[in-house]
Amino acid sequence: SQKIEQNSEALNIQEGKTATLTCNYTNYSPAYLQWYRQDPGRGPVFLLLIRENEKEKRKERLKVTFDTTLKQSLFHITASQPADSATYLCALEWRYSTLTFGKGTMLLVSP
Amino acid sequence: DAGVIQSPRHEVTEMGQEVTLRCKPISGHNSLFWYRQTMMRGLELLIYFNNNVPIDDSGMPEDRFSAKMPNASFSTLKIQPSEPRDSAVYFCASSFVTGEGELFFGEGSRLTVL
Repeated sequence: SQKIEQNSEALNIQEGKTATLTCNYTNYSPAYLQWYRQDPGRGPVFLLLIRENEKEKRKERLKVTFDTTLKQSLFHITASQPADSATYLCALEWRYSTLTFGKGTMLLVSP
Repeated sequence: DAGVIQSPRHEVTEMGQEVTLRCKPISGHNSLFWYRQTMMRGLELLIYFNNNVPIDDSGMPEDRFSAKMPNASFSTLKIQPSEPRDSAVYFCASSFVTGEGELFFGEGSRLTVL
């Protein structure tokens, strides 16, 4: 079965630095991949979507890359701020399937 | 514009009791999803509806769980009888299309079964 792996350890960085989060998957490449942000006690909020034929997608301070050879997506937040502190979830959809979420990685940005 | 609305936000009940969670999707969205989130297993899809019709309920853990969508603006997830291992946060999400559609999540219903 398909598996999604996100680093379970929290990522601690200083304000102003670039945060990089990793999402790895096994077996077949998904048709597309999404990233969500989740704050404590809240529902996930959609951030970005990247398709299997795209290498990179940007939105303001956010950048997502998708490497089907490495079976990996990287999620970058440049010029990070304490307000970026949250849990970030990657979600993959394979053909003829539904969106499957990773367990998420917590990001802590200290001033 | 109102987002996905879930109720109740918190529910504490005793083992064996019936639990009903409610969801109002975003108007105009044609797909509705029920997810369950725990620390151990993360976000798991329980069931999803397209145009009010259940399409995939393979994630529903047992016959104790049932979901309905009587119309485009309302869905329920029922657990009867509830067990302590059902304790989790239950999320409802809706989207305009299935396939490449971003999901809009509600704030969740935190269920504690004693």
